[in-house]
Amino acid sequence: DTAVSQTPKYLVTQMGNDKSIKCEQNLGHDTMYWYKQDSKKFLKIMFSYNNKELIINETVPNRFSPKSPDKAHLNLHINSLELGDSAVYFCASSEDRTSGSSYNEQFFGPGTRLTVL
Amino acid sequence: RKEVEQDPGPFNVPEGATVAFNCTYSNSASQSFFWYRQDCRKEPKLLMSVYSSGNEDGRFTAQLNRASQYISLLIRDSKLSDSATYLCVVNILYSSASKIIFGSGTRLSIRP
Repeated sequence: DTAVSQTPKYLVTQMGNDKSIKCEQNLGHDTMYWYKQDSKKFLKIMFSYNNKELIINETVPNRFSPKSPDKAHLNLHINSLELGDSAVYFCASSEDRTSGSSYNEQFFGPGTRLTVL
Repeated sequence: RKEVEQDPGPFNVPEGATVAFNCTYSNSASQSFFWYRQDCRKEPKLLMSVYSSGNEDGRFTAQLNRASQYISLLIRDSKLSDSATYLCVVNILYSSASKIIFGSGTRLSIRP
């Protein structure tokens, strides 16, 4: 059983298109995240969601929007794709991330390799 | 200055060698520290947490130096399977939330 799954694994699209990446976790975790890993392998957090509430938005362009239909899913929608959006996008989840609590281990999905042409 | 900095490597060492990496962090409010491992074209996975007193897990030893604001990872008797990128992770605790920062990773290659 895959703990954190993402679809699609690969996504090739033209500049200007709108696309979505889906993420699901079956761990019963309360918090989910999206990360972007660029060509230099730098992993940067984009969003985290806890109980349908956005906790972090790390100066990500508003073309990116996370959508959480329920606790087990956090999808990433990207509008008007740009060349610079090409990267690997990782979804992750952790048990809890309430205010003042210490960090919980994050479990990552396998990643979605997005290529914008 | 980056919030979390790592030597990118690559470190290329023979099997059986001992290798160590450091990771420095700039925010003194950093509370929790971790090492993750990422294999080529795979997702990061937690290797170990780093405790104030230092901790060991088999061939891996992690240390924290709060005064100098760095953490280290030591790998003894390295195996071919240790070849990967090692990511330093720092969690900064603010009054209402926490911020997780990943280092850019140190690439390790073990040769036979």
